[in-house]
Amino acid sequence: DTAVSQTPKYLVTQMGNDKSIKCEQNLGHDTMYWYKQDSKKFLKIMFSYNNKELIINETVPNRFSPKSPDKAHLNLHINSLELGDSAVYFCASSHKGWSTSSTDTQYFGPGTRLTVL
Amino acid sequence: AQSVSQHNHHVILSEAASLELGCNYSYGGTVNLFWYVQYPGQHLQLLLKYFSGDPLVKGIKGFEAEFIKSKFSFNLRKPSVQWSDTAEYFCAVKSGGSYIPTFGRGTSLIVHP
Repeated sequence: DTAVSQTPKYLVTQMGNDKSIKCEQNLGHDTMYWYKQDSKKFLKIMFSYNNKELIINETVPNRFSPKSPDKAHLNLHINSLELGDSAVYFCASSHKGWSTSSTDTQYFGPGTRLTVL
Repeated sequence: AQSVSQHNHHVILSEAASLELGCNYSYGGTVNLFWYVQYPGQHLQLLLKYFSGDPLVKGIKGFEAEFIKSKFSFNLRKPSVQWSDTAEYFCAVKSGGSYIPTFGRGTSLIVHP
């Protein structure tokens, strides 16, 4: 019973290609997130979606485009991949993250290790 | 903007040693505090969290953390570490006004058998 799942787990591709990473959560959560973890393990928020609507979009190149077909799915599409995009990408979800008074907890997926050659 | 500091970047211990990992944050208002663990090659898992009430929080796998408001700290402790505790440990803070937690840069713990 995987709560937050991501596919693929590993992705190796050439510079300039376009790729997608998929994320699904079966927790019934309203809010989903994409994080990027660099080689020094630093976790940086990229996007947050609440019930299919974009809530937060940090300073991320517009080559990255999230898409949420429904509140259980948040996919990440990356165009024209660059060497610097190599990282581990984590999807996460939380119950009602949009509520600032919420005692909300994020649950993370297994990560997708992207390597751009 | 809030910030989270984990001063110990790398910690190396022998099995049975006691552990304390530091976490300090900058926000002065109401905070929600978290510790996550990331075992090698795996995703982040929640160890424990503090929202309110008893400032000494007990989590899974024998870990605990103490919220000291006057020191803006939420240090993680374990009385006796095991080899299987080798992992990255992340402190995260969520403050009123932001629903996205800010993560510290992590502490790499290596436990020698």
